[in-house]
Amino acid sequence: DQQVKQNSPSLSVQEGRISILNCDYTNSMFDYFLWYKKYPAEGPTFLISISSIKDKNEDGRFTVFLNKSAKHLSLHIVPSQPGDSAVYFCAARPLHETSGSRLTFGEGTQLTVNP
Amino acid sequence: EAQVTQNPRYLITVTGKKLTVTCSQNMNHEYMSWYRQDPGLGLRQIYYSMNVEVTDKGDVPEGYKVSRKEKRNFPLILESPSPNQTSLYFCASIRGDTQYFGPGTRLTVL
Repeated sequence: DQQVKQNSPSLSVQEGRISILNCDYTNSMFDYFLWYKKYPAEGPTFLISISSIKDKNEDGRFTVFLNKSAKHLSLHIVPSQPGDSAVYFCAARPLHETSGSRLTFGEGTQLTVNP
Repeated sequence: EAQVTQNPRYLITVTGKKLTVTCSQNMNHEYMSWYRQDPGLGLRQIYYSMNVEVTDKGDVPEGYKVSRKEKRNFPLILESPSPNQTSLYFCASIRGDTQYFGPGTRLTVL
């Protein structure tokens, strides 16, 4: 079963607007969440993360929100830029893992930012 | 420059012909991992390694082997590839909660 789910395979937004990418999880043992960005022909790169003790983490134009009761997190990109066009993966780590070696990834969402 | 390298980047092979995809990192990380990416399924972990000579299965280990004889290298071995192993493969080197991915290997098994 898919423990981390990104229900939107694709998202298209206008440059300058907000992009909101969503992610749901089912395993209540997940306590650390990450977003990775992937350009074509490259490996994923780390973007931003959040611990379960927080509900928001911000880094420049990127903000991740965590709603533990709903088992839902979202990535906001404001303002969106054409260079943000990529596949975004949500990932989660279980509480008992002391390293990042056991991440569970979602299916990914292709974001396209139109000039 | 800190990096993870994979070779080959592209490979087309036939069913049953053993192959190895190499992975090397220059960051002196203890943890490394292999993933496969398939449409609609995202990244799924195949195997991971906590240190030299210490490896463990991920979520989809069937049909794969790994070895970790030295810290920098973590090769993925397909003893008898099958068409359902056609996929995009990523190696990752891990520090803390951050995974540093290689550029990927596109494998096609005919």
